[in-house]
Amino acid sequence: DAKTTQPNSMESNEEEPVHLPCNHSTISGTDYIHWYRQLPSQGPEYVIHGLTSNVNNRMASLAIAEDRKSSTLILHRATLRDAAVYYCILRAMDSSYKLIFGSGTRLLVRP
Amino acid sequence: EAGVAQSPRYKIIEKRQSVAFWCNPISGHATLYWYQQILGQGPKLLIQFQNNGVVDDSQLPKDRFSAERLKGVDSTLKIQPAKLEDSAVYLCASSLDPGGYTEAFFGQGTRLTVV
Repeated sequence: DAKTTQPNSMESNEEEPVHLPCNHSTISGTDYIHWYRQLPSQGPEYVIHGLTSNVNNRMASLAIAEDRKSSTLILHRATLRDAAVYYCILRAMDSSYKLIFGSGTRLLVRP
Repeated sequence: EAGVAQSPRYKIIEKRQSVAFWCNPISGHATLYWYQQILGQGPKLLIQFQNNGVVDDSQLPKDRFSAERLKGVDSTLKIQPAKLEDSAVYLCASSLDPGGYTEAFFGQGTRLTVV
């Protein structure tokens, strides 16, 4: 169901950029790429989403490959508060755009 | 803007007892989701409502779980009878509509422990 592949864990140093990869080789033209993150003991929170073009918001940037088979979430300057599990999700038209979570990437930020 | 409200925050029950969770979504949000998150795993979608109709409940164990959304606003999720494997965090989320471009907002969750 998840349709995405992410590394189980990644580490970063504080104040350095972080690139979180996601593979979604079976993506179709109408599928949206969403990223959510879950801080310890909290519900998931929306980070960013895109369809074809790269996207920027106050939290992060989303870089989408030209063939859309992969994407990268970019945190420009990691802080300790960014330590969380990051989920890359395809909201697919063939599954009625359901929000289906996989196992995500656990990001550790070192001070 | 008020977020998604859930209650209670914590609940401990014995197996075979029943339990209910309550969710109040963000005002005006037509879509409401219930998720189950077992420790160490990603959230699993149990049921999705569009207004007061069920869009998807394919992962809801219907022999013991039930959910309703009266008047298309608040929702309750019930487990009867509970099993040890139901110990998890139950998350409620809402979004303006179910489209692929909309973001979902999550509550803090209810942590259920079945002993």
